[in-house]
Amino acid sequence: AQSVTQLDSHVSVSEGTPVLLRCNYSSSYSPSLFWYVQHPNKGLQLLLKYTSAATLVKGINGFEAEFKKSETSFHLTKPSAHMSDAAEYFCVVSGWGAQKLVFGQGTRLTINP
Amino acid sequence: DTAVSQTPKYLVTQMGNDKSIKCEQNLGHDTMYWYKQDSKKFLKIMFSYNNKELIINETVPNRFSPKSPDKAHLNLHINSLELGDSAVYFCASSQEGGGGHEQYFGPGTRLTVT
Repeated sequence: AQSVTQLDSHVSVSEGTPVLLRCNYSSSYSPSLFWYVQHPNKGLQLLLKYTSAATLVKGINGFEAEFKKSETSFHLTKPSAHMSDAAEYFCVVSGWGAQKLVFGQGTRLTINP
Repeated sequence: DTAVSQTPKYLVTQMGNDKSIKCEQNLGHDTMYWYKQDSKKFLKIMFSYNNKELIINETVPNRFSPKSPDKAHLNLHINSLELGDSAVYFCASSQEGGGGHEQYFGPGTRLTVT
């Protein structure tokens, strides 16, 4: 079975400062891991995904995440936050061959001017 | 040119009514899904179809019945609506059902049951 825990329900940073959203996963298989973003009243958009290739994954809008098997983590980072990054972020796990995505509880990112 | 579209965007109805939500994808994907997002933003899969065949059916009440007329469409029909059905319902699609394939989500349908 797969599960994912997002360690912070809410993160607040100032514009121009780094962003760190933390995610730990549990999976019986080699996992596929994703980060999705949901802007207010919008659908979900894929930021990036890890599928057993490079452990450092680059995504859209300057985001990246590093897969660390020893720590069972897949934290999302961005060097410099923009106001447009304010949204809900979901860490997601899927076991290989499994169709089901399992979502974390979400982290709300607030950007202060 | 929307990849995954849902209608309606908003749906307000009374308890006991029956309603349907429609979903269409123009990505040529084989697999489609329905998710429910509750008031705390938690997302949980409800159903998955691959080439019109039901693959995943989570513990969802029998009042919810998905129907896939073809692989580009997956509709959700809900009978005897209850207050607890109020949520945002998202349709999604992926190229295949394997775990490595990202899913593309529609804009969501906000269902309010009064």
